[in-house]
Amino acid sequence: AQKVTQAQTEISVVEKEDVTLDCVYETRDTTYYLFWYKQPPSGELVFLIRRNSFDEQNEISGRYSWNFQKSTSSFNFTITASQVVDSAVYFCALSEGSDTDKLIFGTGTRLQVFP
Amino acid sequence: DTAVSQTPKYLVTQMGNDKSIKCEQNLGHDTMYWYKQDSKKFLKIMFSYNNKELIINETVPNRFSPKSPDKAHLNLHINSLELGDSAVYFCASSQGYELAGNTGELFFGEGSRLTVL
Repeated sequence: AQKVTQAQTEISVVEKEDVTLDCVYETRDTTYYLFWYKQPPSGELVFLIRRNSFDEQNEISGRYSWNFQKSTSSFNFTITASQVVDSAVYFCALSEGSDTDKLIFGTGTRLQVFP
Repeated sequence: DTAVSQTPKYLVTQMGNDKSIKCEQNLGHDTMYWYKQDSKKFLKIMFSYNNKELIINETVPNRFSPKSPDKAHLNLHINSLELGDSAVYFCASSQGYELAGNTGELFFGEGSRLTVL
C-alpha cells in the first residue's frame, strides 16, 4: 500500500538557518511521482515540485533544493537561508503510476521561521 | 482570474442541515477532485472526476454526493451534516500526466471552511 511519512511534526528555526524537511514514502509501483506542496498561514496549497521515479537528479530552485534517493525511499526538501516568509506547513505527496489521479499526502511538517 | 474557485469560503451551519460547496476551474483541465483537510491538517482525497465521470470515491459516507454538470465544475453536496464534517474542503483540478511538459500538479482552490455546530 502507498504511504507517505513526514516524521517531523513541527520545526522551528531562526532566520538564515538552513532546514531540511524529511519525507519517506512507500509504494509497490515502479512508476510513481513525488510532490511537495506548501500551505502558508493563508491556507492555500501551493505546488513546489514534482519528481518522477525515473529521475533521481537532485533539483535546486533558488533557496529550495530537493534530494531524491530511491535507495532510502526518501524525498527530502531543504531550505537554505530560511526566511520568515517560509513559515508554512509543507506537505510531501505521492501518486502511483497505476493510479495517477490519487495523490496521497503526508501529515505535513509545520515550519516556523523566527526573525 | 482565479484558476480554481470555490464558494463559499466559509460556511457555518447546524447539525442535520444540508449544504453545498461549489467549485469551478477555468484551466481547461479534465480531472477535478475534492480533498478534505481536518483540524490536524491531514489532507485526504474524497472524490475524483474525469470529464464528468466518477473515478475515485474514497470510502466517503454517502451523505456526501459530488456532482459534475460539466468538466469545469465539481460541486459537493453534504446531507445531514455531522460535527465530524467540520473541516476545510479543497477542490482541485489537474490535466493529468500524458501531455508533454505537464507537471501533473494539482491546482487547488482556496478551500472552503465548514463548521458544523
